Amino acid sequence: GAVVSQHPSWVICKSGTSVKIECRSLDFQATTMFWYRQFPKQSLMLMATSNEGSKATYEQGVEKDKFLINHASLTLSTLTVTSAHPEDSSFYICSARFRGWTDTQYFGPGTRLTVL
Amino acid sequence: GESVGLHLPTLSVQEGDNSIINCAYSNSASDYFIWYKQESGKGPQFIIDIRSNMDKRQGQRVTVLLNKTVKHLSLQIAATQPGDSAVYFCAETQGAQKLVFGQGTRLTINP
Repeated sequence: GAVVSQHPSWVICKSGTSVKIECRSLDFQATTMFWYRQFPKQSLMLMATSNEGSKATYEQGVEKDKFLINHASLTLSTLTVTSAHPEDSSFYICSARFRGWTDTQYFGPGTRLTVL
Repeated sequence: GESVGLHLPTLSVQEGDNSIINCAYSNSASDYFIWYKQESGKGPQFIIDIRSNMDKRQGQRVTVLLNKTVKHLSLQIAATQPGDSAVYFCAETQGAQKLVFGQGTRLTINP
């Protein structure tokens, strides 16, 4: 149980294009999903918190117009990197909060974005 | 701001030995802690968690210890195997939903 998937697992795009990443909770409903980015040999940095049916809450320093988040259902959240540039190249990871007795977050496998 | 940190960035142990990974936290209000394992190129994998009303919790080959007096968290892995090689992160919850991650410890298992 508590499986989270991401699609695609990796993507290469040209500078200036937009890329959409999907995050799905496969066997549970997630009222809250989170988006992180991770640079090589560093820890995870929270970008935004996504609640189903409402606007995402972005962390300080994260451009909301550049990283569009949509949480349309209890099992799907999407992150769109708009007008991507090489500095946006990173490992993007989503998580979904399982509302059991622990409220544990379960993570997806991550999406490697490379912007040329 | 307050953060979760780790004492050691790298740890090497012999296969079959026990490993202990440490984590310090500074927010005394945190009430929930999680250990994650991250293999190269993959997302973090839940290992074990503990609430602040507990001192110890055991799983399969893993034990988490919480010392609230000194704000210290540790992960013990018994009889380490090659598959245990990974980066281990501790994380704490602050406020309603956010997880704050430590910087990670890379565990290497020597044959």
